[in-house]
Amino acid sequence: EVQLVQSGPEVKKPGESLKISCKGSGYDFTKHWIGWVRQTPGKGLEWMGIIYPGDSDTTYSPSFEGQVIISVDKSINTAYLQWRSLKASDSAMYYCVRRGVEVTPTMREFYNWFDPWGQGTLVTVSS
Amino acid sequence: EIVLTQFPGTLSLSPGERATLSCRASQSVNSISIVWYQQKPGQSPRVLIYGASRRATGIPERFTGSGSGTDFTLTITNLEPEDFAVYYCQHYGTPLPYTFGQGTRLEIK
Repeated sequence: EVQLVQSGPEVKKPGESLKISCKGSGYDFTKHWIGWVRQTPGKGLEWMGIIYPGDSDTTYSPSFEGQVIISVDKSINTAYLQWRSLKASDSAMYYCVRRGVEVTPTMREFYNWFDPWGQGTLVTVSS
Repeated sequence: EIVLTQFPGTLSLSPGERATLSCRASQSVNSISIVWYQQKPGQSPRVLIYGASRRATGIPERFTGSGSGTDFTLTITNLEPEDFAVYYCQHYGTPLPYTFGQGTRLEIK
């Protein structure tokens, strides 16, 4: 069974650093992109960025570029989302997701989706 | 950035009825890039439909996706009690970033 298991909830103060994790199992971790999605009541679901564990190629959403760091340790099948200095506005549920992909019938394009999703890591930033 | 607007915000129906959920893109998109997810309370989202109309593995036939250009629809026929949840559409394609709609809450009437 393909699974993504995330680290547990975190309570932090503004200005503190944080690194949360996402461990993949049940598939070749190096061959599937892993992304991060933020969910808040106010803004809903927001894609933050995506990394290819095979070579650590990373793309960030412009909204999150420079705000977070996405990394991976393929030796232990784990992806990370990191903050150097948290703000109260970083309080949210964070999900890691695996990119699903299928070639279209024309063989020229790809269908993409996120599946599975990790169970989520709740991050609370409060003084 | 592709902005996705979902409507209605909330849909109140009874089991056995048909639900029609809409997702409108701010500009024409390739239909292969439209994905639908379901999220139940306290759970992570799960994929239902990708490529606008292709059912993901294990998804019942009562879930159907359709649409092209800027207008996409998720139809759920013969609603089951477990279908009452929040549904999101997503644009997973170019241009970046990948974006989500704000969701439609399907509630029991």
